[in-house]
Amino acid sequence: GAGVSQTPSNKVTEKGKYVELRCDPISGHTALYWYRQSLGQGPEFLIYFQGTGAADDSGLPNDRFFAVRPEGSVSTLKIQRTERGDSAVYLCASSILGGTGGANTGELFFGEGSRLTVL
Amino acid sequence: QQQVKQSPQSLIVQKGGISIINCAYENTAFDYFPWYQQFPGKGPALLIAIRPDVSEKKEGRFTISFNKSAKQFSLHIMDSQPGDSATYFCAAMVSNSGYALNFGKGTSLLVTP
Repeated sequence: GAGVSQTPSNKVTEKGKYVELRCDPISGHTALYWYRQSLGQGPEFLIYFQGTGAADDSGLPNDRFFAVRPEGSVSTLKIQRTERGDSAVYLCASSILGGTGGANTGELFFGEGSRLTVL
Repeated sequence: QQQVKQSPQSLIVQKGGISIINCAYENTAFDYFPWYQQFPGKGPALLIAIRPDVSEKKEGRFTISFNKSAKQFSLHIMDSQPGDSATYFCAAMVSNSGYALNFGKGTSLLVTP
């Protein structure tokens, strides 16, 4: 069955460049999450979408990071003026229902991540 | 700040032994506590989860013990196998809140033959 798909799986870029990372969630999942995982660390929350809207973007580290989900399905995480400290694995996850308004089991289905290396 | 604190950072257990990983939290509003398992190059996958209305949940060789008063919970892996070698993350959240899952820093488990 189709799981969460993330592209690219690996991205190497130079400091100062712009990067886009794409996430295709499981069909029918209304909630979509972006996490960042640095080496030896747990996933760090970035942003959560319920449908098309960002329900919680409190984890975005600064205004260089932005994410969209225009049609409530595919999401793109955009990073401007990349810095070496942005190097990490960016994980996307989806769930059937998220947050308010429904039974949230909390089970997130993760993709394999996009490994970003900023030189 | 780290909302879920996990220990140990790494663990080596012999095949057949018991692996124990501990987590502690501060936010008393948390009401859902899952454990995720992650293999190298893969995303985390849900292993087992518990809600605070029970003190223990068992699924096969995996057991979560939950102590609400101490705000602690732990994962026990019985009869540990080399295939259990992975990184384990505890997590916590306030369900139906619009907030996301908060993860611990992870425990790297190695089960030796």
